[in-house]
Amino acid sequence: QVHLVESGGGVVQPGRSLGLSCAASGFTLSTFGMHWVRQAPGKGLEWVALIWSDGSKKYYADSVKGRFIISKDNSKNTLYLQMNTLRVEDTAVYYCARDIGYGDHSRFDPWGQGTLVTVSS
Amino acid sequence: QSVLTQPPSASGTPGQRVTISCSGSSSNIGSNTVNWYQQLPGTAPKLLIYSNDQRPSGVPDRFSGSKSGTSASLAISGLQSEDEADYYCAAWDDSLNAVVFGGGTKLTVL
Repeated sequence: QVHLVESGGGVVQPGRSLGLSCAASGFTLSTFGMHWVRQAPGKGLEWVALIWSDGSKKYYADSVKGRFIISKDNSKNTLYLQMNTLRVEDTAVYYCARDIGYGDHSRFDPWGQGTLVTVSS
Repeated sequence: QSVLTQPPSASGTPGQRVTISCSGSSSNIGSNTVNWYQQLPGTAPKLLIYSNDQRPSGVPDRFSGSKSGTSASLAISGLQSEDEADYYCAAWDDSLNAVVFGGGTKLTVL
């Protein structure tokens, strides 16, 4: 069964860094692109980043470009999001999601359960 | 301000048909397929419609999607109480090189 489990969320001060992980099971990470999507409390979905199946290309939302880094370790079947210089407005539940679009990069299935990141002093 | 525009709310009574619109531009909906997600309260989003009008296995045929030009729609017929959720449209944007979401529509079953 295909499954994604995020971890690493917590409370962090503005300006600090935090790393998220997303462990995949039931499929091989090397054959799928992967995304991070976030949702601020009471707000809608906001796409964060995409990494291609072979890791050759990475795309970021303007709101995180230059601060966040998406990566993956295919040997560990794990996706990562390194978040630097965090801001209060980065507070959100962060979801990882598998890209099954085969060229359509907005088709996500499944999604993980999410991990909450709170940026606060 | 979301790149894709959805009405913030929609409502209907059990058994009714409701539609949710999603408006974009030539760089997103106009040139790429649209996907719809359902987010039940307190849960992660779930793929509901893909490639404009296709249903994943397990999604009831009460849910249907369509696309025309730079707009798309999600229709729910035979409305049920368990359909009460937030619905989001999404598409790839060729100009932004990013996935763009609609702001979400909260569906209330009266």
